[in-house]
Amino acid sequence: RKEVEQDPGPFNVPEGATVAFNCTYSNSASQSFFWYRQDCRKEPKLLMSVYSSGNEDGRFTAQLNRASQYISLLIRDSKLSDSATYLCAAPSGTYKYIFGTGTRLKVLA
Amino acid sequence: NAGVTQTPKFQVLKTGQSMTLQCAQDMNHNSMYWYRQDPGMGLRLIYYSASEGTTDKGEVPNGYNVSRLNKREFSLRLESAAPSQTSVYFCASSEWVYNEQFFGPGTRLTVL
Repeated sequence: RKEVEQDPGPFNVPEGATVAFNCTYSNSASQSFFWYRQDCRKEPKLLMSVYSSGNEDGRFTAQLNRASQYISLLIRDSKLSDSATYLCAAPSGTYKYIFGTGTRLKVLA
Repeated sequence: NAGVTQTPKFQVLKTGQSMTLQCAQDMNHNSMYWYRQDPGMGLRLIYYSASEGTTDKGEVPNGYNVSRLNKREFSLRLESAAPSQTSVYFCASSEWVYNEQFFGPGTRLTVL
């Protein structure tokens, strides 16, 4: 099993829809996780941190499910500007953080 | 604050040539990283420096060397470039190794 796995998508959703992505991780000792957003041909930018209590920032909610070893990102009321690739990052015992390959989101008008 | 800066933005090399990618951060971060990103492979860690004076191998270190010049600067060197090193290279920094990372704009490298 890969250390961090994401569904590559693409997820095509209409404007205003709610969409959720999951990211599974294998290191059961992991404590903190991150979601990044990456636009085409740009660098990843931090979207949210994810701790045991979850995190909410406006339309974005991140949750941690420790029992099933995944983190989730929920986007409510999707905007065209939310179209991007979303990367998750989980701690790795050896290399500090491992990034998933990303989930592509396309919000359609 | 510029955050994390990288030079150059683009580079084309011939097989066997060498070059150094430069990275600097002005956030007073202790930890710095070099990643490469290839289509379908995601971000892969090449080397990292947990703190000034230390460097460690990441997932894909072969063909690369690094230097943590001081707290601000972390360079990546390709001694003899190969076509398999064609990629986008990102430098990142964080306060410490388990904190959120901030990325530079990347260097697009093509090796012919």
